[in-house]
Amino acid sequence: NAGVTQTPKFQVLKTGQSMTLQCAQDMNHNSMYWYRQDPGMGLRLIYYSASEGTTDKGEVPNGYNVSRLNKREFSLRLESAAPSQTSVYFCASSEASGGNYGYTFGSGTRLTVV
Amino acid sequence: RKEVEQDPGPFNVPEGATVAFNCTYSNSASQSFFWYRQDCRKEPKLLMSVYSSGNEDGRFTAQLNRASQYISLLIRDSKLSDSATYLCVVWGGANNLFFGTGTRLTVIP
Repeated sequence: NAGVTQTPKFQVLKTGQSMTLQCAQDMNHNSMYWYRQDPGMGLRLIYYSASEGTTDKGEVPNGYNVSRLNKREFSLRLESAAPSQTSVYFCASSEASGGNYGYTFGSGTRLTVV
Repeated sequence: RKEVEQDPGPFNVPEGATVAFNCTYSNSASQSFFWYRQDCRKEPKLLMSVYSSGNEDGRFTAQLNRASQYISLLIRDSKLSDSATYLCVVWGGANNLFFGTGTRLTVIP
């Protein structure tokens, strides 16, 4: 009964380093999302994948890339990390795209860029 | 103007009290509404959807007022375990799901 699994849970990067955040869901959901959460701001959508094989930009895509590897997995890559990308990152999935379905979130990745 | 606005609180209430949160949204065409709960340093979890006719789930009641563009969450008989941040979420169609910054509730013994 894993739901949405994110790895790693914590990460410290130096400016300019790259990394990939992994996300996998076992609920056979079609849609997956990456959000970031910063103090004083609501969750903001970085990228989403409405279905396997498709990805689209959200509200704050700059500095990120994504890959929908298969129906289960959706990864987020930071090519050259910047301090402004220090945040908590959440992956989420839903049965279908759009907000009419409840989202299930992973436990988050706390990323610090120094 | 933010799509969704909430009073950040904190709301500090004694056990057993009734507490209500409001949330306003800017897009009159918004289609679906939700309340999520987020515990400290945890992920958001869906608490309940908000229907036009209002809906209740145990001690929790959600209401929608489309004319005034706000939704509310009422918690009766507050428990210590209700302490969390409550996120108002509004769907404006397509992939436009907007999260409020949350209202923090602390229930005091």
